[in-house]
Amino acid sequence: QTVVTQEPSLTVSPGGTVTLTCASSTGTVTSSYYPSWFQQKPGQAPRALLYSTTNKHSWTPARFSGSLLGGKAALTLSGVQPEDEAEYYCLLYNAGGLVFGGGTKLTVL
Amino acid sequence: EVQLLESGGGLVQPGGSLRLSCAASGFTLSNYAMYWVRQSPGKGLEWVSGISGSDGSTYNADSVKGRFTISRDNSKNTLYLQMNSLRAEDTAVYYCAKGVKMRYFYGMDDWGQGTTVTVSS
Repeated sequence: QTVVTQEPSLTVSPGGTVTLTCASSTGTVTSSYYPSWFQQKPGQAPRALLYSTTNKHSWTPARFSGSLLGGKAALTLSGVQPEDEAEYYCLLYNAGGLVFGGGTKLTVL
Repeated sequence: EVQLLESGGGLVQPGGSLRLSCAASGFTLSNYAMYWVRQSPGKGLEWVSGISGSDGSTYNADSVKGRFTISRDNSKNTLYLQMNSLRAEDTAVYYCAKGVKMRYFYGMDDWGQGTTVTVSS
């Protein structure tokens, strides 16, 4: 059973930059894992941000970007806004199944 | 505009069954992969089931394999999740989500608001 690991929590100042990562217990995350990223605020359904590592949805703000970094998938927020405070989840495809990470709680302070 | 409206949630006893529905509008269901994702109270997201838009192949998480079945009715543009042998640990909000593309591994873009399933005696 694949385990996907994210930082449990991160804190960033408004206007700052922060990178969230997503690691797989199976080893190096590549583009073949089709990493996706989602944002969820309390009481709301998740909202998709990125798919296939770097691709943005039409509604995704430009300050969100995706990459592969040090064997992991990464989500970078540049010029963080107060409204970016939320839980962020990554999703990986592996061996026929999809696995979400445990989520990163991002605090903007 | 894409809309996904889940229904069918409720309170069910352990060992019971429930069928969730997801009425889709604004797109043709069969042209995209579709998914069910759940979230237990205070917990993270868990992928449950998926169905490919191309050939209708289905995929299930190990935690629900043999108990849950995903299906779709193209004529009604509706996605279903038949849940049997329900357990307390299946208690969650169940979200229906539309795939980015027809192929199943690309993940989701649009999400419904969810329907709550509570398994308790």
